[in-house]
Amino acid sequence: GQQLNQSPQSMFIQEGEDVSMNCTSSSIFNTWLWYKQDPGEGPVLLIALYKAGELTSNGRLTAQFGITRKDSFLNISASIPSDVGIYFCAGQGGETSYDKVIFGPGTSLSVIP
Amino acid sequence: DTGVSQNPRHKITKRGQNVTFRCDPISEHNRLYWYRQTLGQGPEFLTYFQNEAQLEKSRLLSDRFSAERPKGSFSTLEIQRTEQGDSAMYLCASSLGVDNEQFFGPGTRLTVL
Repeated sequence: GQQLNQSPQSMFIQEGEDVSMNCTSSSIFNTWLWYKQDPGEGPVLLIALYKAGELTSNGRLTAQFGITRKDSFLNISASIPSDVGIYFCAGQGGETSYDKVIFGPGTSLSVIP
Repeated sequence: DTGVSQNPRHKITKRGQNVTFRCDPISEHNRLYWYRQTLGQGPEFLTYFQNEAQLEKSRLLSDRFSAERPKGSFSTLEIQRTEQGDSAMYLCASSLGVDNEQFFGPGTRLTVL
């Protein structure tokens, strides 16, 4: 089945720094999604990308849908303590069931004040 | 608050016992999804419903697992004869149609001793 890889696995950064994380897939998706999960909570959708090459921003977050449809990145600018959490990329559609969302293993972000 | 709710939030059981979890989706959402999440991993799709119809089941969903959504509103996930490998966070999500965001509940954390 389709698998997603995320890098880095974890990050420790100073408050105010910019962050960049990546997601790659073994096969194509029609939609890329980025979620954030806080401890003890379910994931919350941050950004959704629907077209290859699409670049979308949501406040300090920017994400891009790779041209090959097999990768995506998420950037966070000027990090703040509340950015701490686990960031998951996810793909939907493509070679899987249209409705099923496939999640990556996550990138754990720690922000040092 | 009219978000997705799950009960119980935590469940500790002995191996071999049966457990049942409940998910109440956002009221107008016709799609309901179940995921399993183990430590250090992203959520893995288990099954989903459109209204009361169960449309897809993952190979992860062994015959000890059964999910229902009898009236197209709340859903239950039952695990029979629990095993230690069933220990995980069980997440429920709902959406209004296939193209719309899946909203996640806080999850039920199952520990099988």
